[in-house]
Amino acid sequence: SQKIEQNSEALNIQEGKTATLTCNYTNYSPAYLQWYRQDPGRGPVFLLLIRENEKEKRKERLKVTFDTTLKQSLFHITASQPADSATYLCALDYTGRRALTFGSGTRLQVQP
Amino acid sequence: DVKVTQSSRYLVKRTGEKVFLECVQDMDHENMFWYRQDPGLGLRLIYFSYDVKMKEKGDIPEGYSVSREKKERFSLILESASTNQTSMYLCASSPPNQETQYFGPGTRLLVL
Repeated sequence: SQKIEQNSEALNIQEGKTATLTCNYTNYSPAYLQWYRQDPGRGPVFLLLIRENEKEKRKERLKVTFDTTLKQSLFHITASQPADSATYLCALDYTGRRALTFGSGTRLQVQP
Repeated sequence: DVKVTQSSRYLVKRTGEKVFLECVQDMDHENMFWYRQDPGLGLRLIYFSYDVKMKEKGDIPEGYSVSREKKERFSLILESASTNQTSMYLCASSPPNQETQYFGPGTRLLVL
C-alpha cells in the first residue's frame, strides 16, 4: 500500500536558522508532490508544488527538492521566524486523479 | 480569493444520529473532497467528487455517504454517527486545471 512518512517528532529551531523537513514515500512514482502549512484549528494552506522533472522549486524563503530515486522530498525554510511555527504536511496524488494522500505532518516550532 | 466554507466549526451529536456536514465553495470548482484528520494519522480521504452527482470513494468511506446536487455544494453524511467518527472534518476544492486544493476551516465533530 502507499505510504508517506514525515518525522512525527516536533522540530525545534532558533529564529534565523534554516528548518529542513523530510517527506519519504513508498510504492509509487508520483508526477508531483505538494507541501501545505496547517495552523492549529485551521485547514491546510497550499505552499508549493514540485513536479517529477523538477529537482528544486523556490518561493521566497521556501525551497523544496524532489529526489525521485530516493523517493524523498525536502522542505526548507531559510531565515526562519516564529511566525513560521506550524505543522507542515506533504501530499501525493497516488490515484492520478488529484485526490491527495497526506503525510501526518511535522510540527515546526521556531524559538525567538 | 478562493473561499471554502463549512456549515459548522463545532458540532456535538449523539450516537445513532444522522449527521450532515455541508461544504460550499464560491469559485466554480469541479473537484471537491472530504477528509477527516486525527492525531498521528494525518488527513485521510473519505470521498471526492468531480462533478455534480458524481462521487468516488476515498481511502475510508465506510460509515459515510456524500451528496453533490449542485456544483458549489458537497455534503458529507454520517448515516448513524458512532463515537469512532469523532474527528476534525475538512472539505477542499480544486479547479480542473490545477492540482492545488483549497481547504475550508474544518468542522470538529464530537459524537457522544
